[in-house]
Amino acid sequence: QKEVEQDPGPLSVPEGAIVSLNCTYSNSAFQYFMWYRQYSRKGPELLMYTYSSGNKEDGRFTAQVDKSSKYISLFIRDSQPSDSATYLCAMSDFTDNQGGKLIFGQGTELSVKP
Amino acid sequence: DTEVTQTPKHLVMGMTNKKSLKCEQHMGHRAMYWYKQKAKKPPELMFVYSYEKLSINESVPSRFSPECPNSSLLNLHLHALQPEDSALYLCASSQDIRVGANYGYTFGSGTRLTVV
Repeated sequence: QKEVEQDPGPLSVPEGAIVSLNCTYSNSAFQYFMWYRQYSRKGPELLMYTYSSGNKEDGRFTAQVDKSSKYISLFIRDSQPSDSATYLCAMSDFTDNQGGKLIFGQGTELSVKP
Repeated sequence: DTEVTQTPKHLVMGMTNKKSLKCEQHMGHRAMYWYKQKAKKPPELMFVYSYEKLSINESVPSRFSPECPNSSLLNLHLHALQPEDSALYLCASSQDIRVGANYGYTFGSGTRLTVV
């Protein structure tokens, strides 16, 4: 079993839809959670980070963490064609002497159709 | 300057060649990372440098040799690579390794490497 599971998609939605992207994880020691967006042939770009459980909102993006269920989500409201990219979740447990190592999910490929 | 700059953007090399990838940042970050990413796969950690010292080597074959000459520069020296080493090589940086683990890194755009 992988430490982090993420549905690779592809996920196709119409413009304006609400998109829900999810990851599950097995390591209960993970406390720090991130979402990256990666356009084709580019490096990942950090979208949001959260610590422990709860919600965080930034414009059209909302990140949720449910540590009891080992489940994290990224919601995109009013999705735009420019949101078409691969979305990667990432997480870490610095206290485990991982030395800054992030564990990434597989990535979900999102396509927003005009 | 909030960027991580990687050169070259594309590289084609033969299996007997020696080449180097370069990564530069001027954000004052003291942790730098090399990741490898195959198509439709997540990035895989190769090396971590913390304050110019190698902190993590994820059991990477010796044909990949990292170097951190100063706090702004990270190199990856390549020698006798195999076709299966073809991938996107990503450099990243963070303020330090704790900040990187907690709040994420800044990635460069990568070097797309093809080994023929």
